[in-house]
Amino acid sequence: GESVGLHLPTLSVQEGDNSIINCAYSNSASDYFIWYKQESGKGPQFIIDIRSNMDKRQGQRVTVLLNKTVKHLSLQIAATQPGDSAVYFCAETSGTYKYIFGTGTRLKVLA
Amino acid sequence: DAGITQSPRHKVTETGTPVTLRCHQTENHRYMYWYRQDPGHGLRLIHYSYGVKDTDKGEVSDGYSVSRSKTEDFLLTLESATSSQTSVYFCAISGEGGETEAFFGQGTRLTVV
Repeated sequence: GESVGLHLPTLSVQEGDNSIINCAYSNSASDYFIWYKQESGKGPQFIIDIRSNMDKRQGQRVTVLLNKTVKHLSLQIAATQPGDSAVYFCAETSGTYKYIFGTGTRLKVLA
Repeated sequence: DAGITQSPRHKVTETGTPVTLRCHQTENHRYMYWYRQDPGHGLRLIHYSYGVKDTDKGEVSDGYSVSRSKTEDFLLTLESATSSQTSVYFCAISGEGGETEAFFGQGTRLTVV
């Protein structure tokens, strides 16, 4: 697999538990946010997005929360499964071409 | 998966040689991007394109050039590869720059020896 995750913070979660992955974003003008999942040896995969006019958005087993006051984004994964093991990172943009990506968090699901 | 194909998937090259990476999309998206991904860094933008023959530099563009002669193809060239360009390179596409999600290719692992 790729070596991009060597120095990432790691979150270890028991299978079946809920996971919460956090992201602090940098630009107060950012108005669109995305969570990506990256498995070893693969490209980042879109999970869920949220616009700045929302505080919460739910998908299938995933929820994204946005707190614009403290510039904080979180991804909640319900009933975490072994297939959820990956690196997760957030991205922000202010409506231009420029996506700003976080460095990511490695999620390990323990059987 | 979004229709993005990167080639080659893996390449080893010698310092000082030119290298071209190819990104091909079948989504007819306007925006195309080249990123590099290294340990300890997030994805860093090298170059991007907002249309045929329309390209611009990203934050780490030194030593790289790009070309886009067709909507579906975006080429990244390392004119004279250096060891610092050893990395994983990702191509991405989006319909509208920054207003929708970007979709990524599978990546190209480039090693410069």
